[in-house]
Amino acid sequence: NAGVTQTPKFQVLKTGQSMTLQCAQDMNHEYMSWYRQDPGMGLRLIHYSVGAGITDQGEVPNGYNVSRSTTEDFPLRLLSAAPSQTSVYFCASSLRRDVSTDTQYFGPGTRLTVL
Amino acid sequence: AQKITQTQPGMFVQEKEAVTLDCTYDTSDPSYGLFWYKQPSSGEMIFLIYQGSYDQQNATEGRYSLNFQKARKSANLVISASQLGDSAMYFCAMNTGFQKLVFGTGTRLLVSP
Repeated sequence: NAGVTQTPKFQVLKTGQSMTLQCAQDMNHEYMSWYRQDPGMGLRLIHYSVGAGITDQGEVPNGYNVSRSTTEDFPLRLLSAAPSQTSVYFCASSLRRDVSTDTQYFGPGTRLTVL
Repeated sequence: AQKITQTQPGMFVQEKEAVTLDCTYDTSDPSYGLFWYKQPSSGEMIFLIYQGSYDQQNATEGRYSLNFQKARKSANLVISASQLGDSAMYFCAMNTGFQKLVFGTGTRLLVSP
């Protein structure tokens, strides 16, 4: 198993550009999510999905879109990049969607800089 | 609202000594999970240990143990016999169902020879 994979590892955008961060998992996990990590603030939930075709907003969803057409993939789209979206983005997945005991496993992260 | 507080921005420990990283949490849900993750300088998030709110015993995973005091709402991570490779950021997190993890701000641990 590759686990949770993310591409790209690094990305530099100009203000106003759009892009998609890719996330895939090969563990047949129901739940997938996107977090952003900013200095001194820990990780914050952007969007999450409890299964194919089902997504919902997390704590900081503005400026981001998601979709989940397959169990394996959960891309994150930046619609019009802003400097405030400069951050490290992590994708995570867990086996079941509604159990507090399930461990979330994280991808390696994407470091995004918006100029 | 759920909240995780880590009050130690940085901790120093000598190799082979034990260290405790503090974590307190706030939730009104009776069922929740508490997690610790390690983030080395390479940036990945590595799962270390888990404690469920109904677990009677403290969780242990090798050199890691979780000191769970439910009445005090604390879930401190204890690392025994520290190694140089333990130098990293450590995050405490809570899950109250539907997999929404809430993270603390982290503690940077530095292990010296």
